[in-house]
Amino acid sequence: DIQMTQFPSTLSASAGDRVTITCRASQTISNCMAWFQQKPGEAPKLLIYDASSLQSGVPSSFSGSGSGTEFTLTIASLQPDDFATYYCQQYYYYPWTFGQGTKVEIK
Amino acid sequence: QAQLQESGPGQVRPSQTLSLTCTVSGGSVSTGDYYWSWVRQSPGKGLEWIGYIFYSGSTYYNPSLKSRLTMSVDTSKDQFSLTLTSVTAADTAVYFCARAAKASYNILTGYYYYMDVWGKGTAVTVSS
Repeated sequence: DIQMTQFPSTLSASAGDRVTITCRASQTISNCMAWFQQKPGEAPKLLIYDASSLQSGVPSSFSGSGSGTEFTLTIASLQPDDFATYYCQQYYYYPWTFGQGTKVEIK
Repeated sequence: QAQLQESGPGQVRPSQTLSLTCTVSGGSVSTGDYYWSWVRQSPGKGLEWIGYIFYSGSTYYNPSLKSRLTMSVDTSKDQFSLTLTSVTAADTAVYFCARAAKASYNILTGYYYYMDVWGKGTAVTVSS
């Protein structure tokens, strides 16, 4: 299986901060990368697909980049609603696999 | 906008069979544009993709679960289902159903798919 390694595992930040989360794939996955946001008790919510395409309805403060094995999710200016856990997921190889998550918490 | 809703028992005894159903509203499972997926989340293993089914009944299962897993689709009810046999405590998790939409296209392998719409999830505990 493709291993997805996310870092950091926890990120402490303040509202208004620019934050970046990195995800590294154990093999090249082209641009077949999605990013999700999850809040406690809720389902994951799609933010980004195809590494950099913004899902409809998602604020433009979220952006994704990368291809091959290294990818980043950037939040340009952290809002109170953005404190959550973020997951990367590859869909290039079967089985589809997820990163272990990055919790963005209030500093 | 399509909505997905999982249903099933909240508790299953060890060695028994877990059955879950996902009902699709605001859309149809019969459209050839989507695959219909299951994902589970447990504290110990994080998010794990279980597999998917197409409206025609073709499937792809995670090899880690393949020997115990069956998925089916009922186009008349706009539902798809998961059956997992011989459950153990390791199968305790929140189970999500999700729609997988077409992403980029590869001339050799066809379309890739990403999960764009999710159900709210249903918690399943394996315990006697």
